Amino acid sequence: QKEVEQNSGPLSVPEGAIASLNCTYSDRGSQSFFWYRQYSGKSPELIMFIYSNGDKEDGRFTAQLNKASQYVSLLIRDSQPSDSATYLCAVIRPRYNNDMRFGAGTRLTVKP
Amino acid sequence: DTAVSQTPKYLVTQMGNDKSIKCEQNLGHDTMYWYKQDSKKFLKIMFSYNNKELIINETVPNRFSPKSPDKAHLNLHINSLELGDSAVYFCASSQDGLAGPGFFGPGTRLTVL
Repeated sequence: QKEVEQNSGPLSVPEGAIASLNCTYSDRGSQSFFWYRQYSGKSPELIMFIYSNGDKEDGRFTAQLNKASQYVSLLIRDSQPSDSATYLCAVIRPRYNNDMRFGAGTRLTVKP
Repeated sequence: DTAVSQTPKYLVTQMGNDKSIKCEQNLGHDTMYWYKQDSKKFLKIMFSYNNKELIINETVPNRFSPKSPDKAHLNLHINSLELGDSAVYFCASSQDGLAGPGFFGPGTRLTVL
């Protein structure tokens, strides 16, 4: 089992819809969870992080964490074409010197 | 002001050569990282330094040697380059190891011929 798994996509949604990106992780000791956005040919940008079970909202973005199910998701409301990018899920594993493991990313396309 | 800068942006070289990539951050962060992103876009940590001290050293060939002269700089030297080293290398920084890399550099695209 991969340490961090994401559906590679591509995920296609119409403009204005909600995009839902999912991620599962294997290490139950993982503490911190992150979502990065990476445009083609650019470096990753940190969008959100979440530490506690539940939802965390920031503008059009909502991160959801369920540690019992080892599941973290990112919802993008009112999706815009400018949201088209690859979204990377990452987790920090304290048992391994706090190293961060990334998923392979989900490619999102928002169609006008 | 660029938060995390890397040089060079592109590096094309022959197999067997030795090359270096430099990284500097002006954020005052304590932790710096090197990541490798391969052709399938998978991002993998190589090294992590906290205040010039090596924290994480993943299973990376010993041809790769990081050097941190001070906490604002983390350079990567690669000896005897191989075809499989071709990738994009990202430097990143964070306030501390628990926060994860908050800022990535622009990347260095290394092509080994």
